[in-house]
Amino acid sequence: AIQMTQSPSSLSASVGDRVTITCRASQGIRNDLGWYQQKPGKAPKLLIYAASSLQSGVPSRFSGSGSGTDFTLTISSLQPEDFATYYCLQDYNYPLTFGQGTKVEIK
Amino acid sequence: EVQLVESGGGLVQPGGSLRLSCAASGFTFSSYEMNWVRQAPGKGLEWVSYISSSGSTIYYADSVKGRFTISRDNAKNSLYLQMNSLRAEDTAVYYCARSPYYYDSSGYYYRWFDPWGQGTLVTVSS
Repeated sequence: AIQMTQSPSSLSASVGDRVTITCRASQGIRNDLGWYQQKPGKAPKLLIYAASSLQSGVPSRFSGSGSGTDFTLTISSLQPEDFATYYCLQDYNYPLTFGQGTKVEIK
Repeated sequence: EVQLVESGGGLVQPGGSLRLSCAASGFTFSSYEMNWVRQAPGKGLEWVSYISSSGSTIYYADSVKGRFTISRDNAKNSLYLQMNSLRAEDTAVYYCARSPYYYDSSGYYYRWFDPWGQGTLVTVSS
């Protein structure tokens, strides 16, 4: 199975900060990667698919990049509603695998 | 409104069985692939199972293979997960998720999970 290594596992940031989260795949996965946001007690929500395509309705401060083994989720200016846990998911092949998550907390 | 609603969770003893359901509305269920994903308390997300739109193709995580069975009834707009031989480590919130997809200009297939249901809690304990 493809392993997805996500970093950091947590970070503290202030409103307005630029935040970057990375995911590294144990083998090449083209750009078959999505990013999901999860708030406590809620279901995950799709932010980015195909590594860099912004889901409809998601604010443009979210962006994704990367291909092959290295991927990045960037929040250009962190907003209060962005404090949550973020996961990457590779959908290149089965079994699908998630990164371990990055918890974004208020500094 | 596109909606997925899970049901069927609860408390079950180790070795027991449970059947989860996911009711879909607001879209043509028979056109979409579907998945189950779970999340143990305080832990990350774990993909569990996939089923194609027709039900002809199915995949499982190694952790549930041979114990769980995914199925769907397109006439009833419903997805199911039959869980047998349950273990304490199966305790989790179980989500169903729709998997839209598209083909790009080179014929490559992209998919994602959207939306997700609200989840149903399964607790395996004596």
